[in-house]
Amino acid sequence: SQQGEEDPQALSIQEGENATMNCSYKTSINNLQWYRQNSGRGLVHLILIRSNEREKHSGRLRVTLDTSKKSSSLLITASRAADTASYFCATDAADSSYKLIFGSGTRLLVRP
Amino acid sequence: NAGVMQNPRHLVRRRGQEARLRCSPMKGHSHVYWYRQLPEEGLKFMVYLQKENIIDESGMPKERFSAEFPKEGPSILRIQQVVRGDSAAYFCASSPGERGEAFFGQGTRLTVV
Repeated sequence: SQQGEEDPQALSIQEGENATMNCSYKTSINNLQWYRQNSGRGLVHLILIRSNEREKHSGRLRVTLDTSKKSSSLLITASRAADTASYFCATDAADSSYKLIFGSGTRLLVRP
Repeated sequence: NAGVMQNPRHLVRRRGQEARLRCSPMKGHSHVYWYRQLPEEGLKFMVYLQKENIIDESGMPKERFSAEFPKEGPSILRIQQVVRGDSAAYFCASSPGERGEAFFGQGTRLTVV
């Protein structure tokens, strides 16, 4: 079964607004990663947050992790049209750290 | 330092033919992973290899699919006697160790006609 589930499935916002995507998972993890995928392209690694971390920042990205709720959020501030893409969270399982389990993604559209 | 290189980027095969997908990991990375992505879905783990060893193939279909990562050369994902349901994007990732960041290639989009 899916380890990570993103919500919402699709999000449409105006350029300059913030975008928040959520991810829930089921089992204990070592770390959680967020990836971006432009249409028909490969995955770009955005950020990794470890299970003992609660928040991490990278440029306009802010990721939070709540292991008690088994959930994470990705916030993109001051969005740009170029942020239009699908965003996936990926978790590893504590007992098989090499295997990334992806959710089905959030499709973000940033309107210029 | 080149990223993970996959080729070909696009592959068209007729039903019953064989598909061979290649992946060269990043320099210094000895861990390779293959994932499959169906349209509008996330990636699904297929297999994890280290040099000359298959560590975990729990996500691979039992028949027609095989993977290798020889001592020299790229990792190969081989699909024999392809069927329409094999049409998907196949992504390879590599990492320097078991944990941490995995770097993905651009993928091979297989279309079975």
